Amino acid sequence: AQSVTQPDIHITVSEGASLELRCNYSYGATPYLFWYVQSPGQGLQLLLKYFSGDTLVQGIKGFEAEFKRSQSSFNLRKPSVHWSDAAEYFCAVAPRAQKLVFGQGTRLTINP
Amino acid sequence: GAVVSQHPSWVICKSGTSVKIECRSLDFQATTMFWYRQFPKQSLMLMATSNEGSKATYEQGVEKDKFLINHASLTLSTLTVTSAHPEDSSFYICSARDTQGETQYFGPGTRLLVL
Repeated sequence: AQSVTQPDIHITVSEGASLELRCNYSYGATPYLFWYVQSPGQGLQLLLKYFSGDTLVQGIKGFEAEFKRSQSSFNLRKPSVHWSDAAEYFCAVAPRAQKLVFGQGTRLTINP
Repeated sequence: GAVVSQHPSWVICKSGTSVKIECRSLDFQATTMFWYRQFPKQSLMLMATSNEGSKATYEQGVEKDKFLINHASLTLSTLTVTSAHPEDSSFYICSARDTQGETQYFGPGTRLLVL
């Protein structure tokens, strides 16, 4: 069965610093890959997605993610974080057009 | 585009009553919608998959008679928590998958508190 691992439960970075959130998946083929963000008490907002093609994907709010097939990874990056980026981040994968499998989430705290 | 709404956003009810939560895709059609439950500081747990015009598919361990799902149109799915009890208190989130079948868009969630 497919699975998603987000190794970091909680990450703290300073405002203006760079950010990388890790995501590894286990699946036989390349699934659809997603990053979502959840602010407290809110639903999930889609940051970006990868289906095929260019392995570096640009998303909203200045985020990008890189798909690395050899490492089964889809890490999320941002060159300079803002206090408003503090939230919970979820990586998710879906075999073609099937239900999403979520990672456990990474909580991001921003130090002023 | 791709906006999903949920109503209500908050609901408090007495034990034994039923509560209905609506999920609407506002600017796209969704043949498939999903209902999730989220406990504090945890990831989302899929409860059921709702297909327009057919019966919902429930995940293992989810009581279909307790969590009634109806997906009567391409833009509306409802979740009814029947005879709610305090242990049903949770954050319920729906999502709608676009007709290309590739991306799920999530609603803002409904917080249910059963007293």
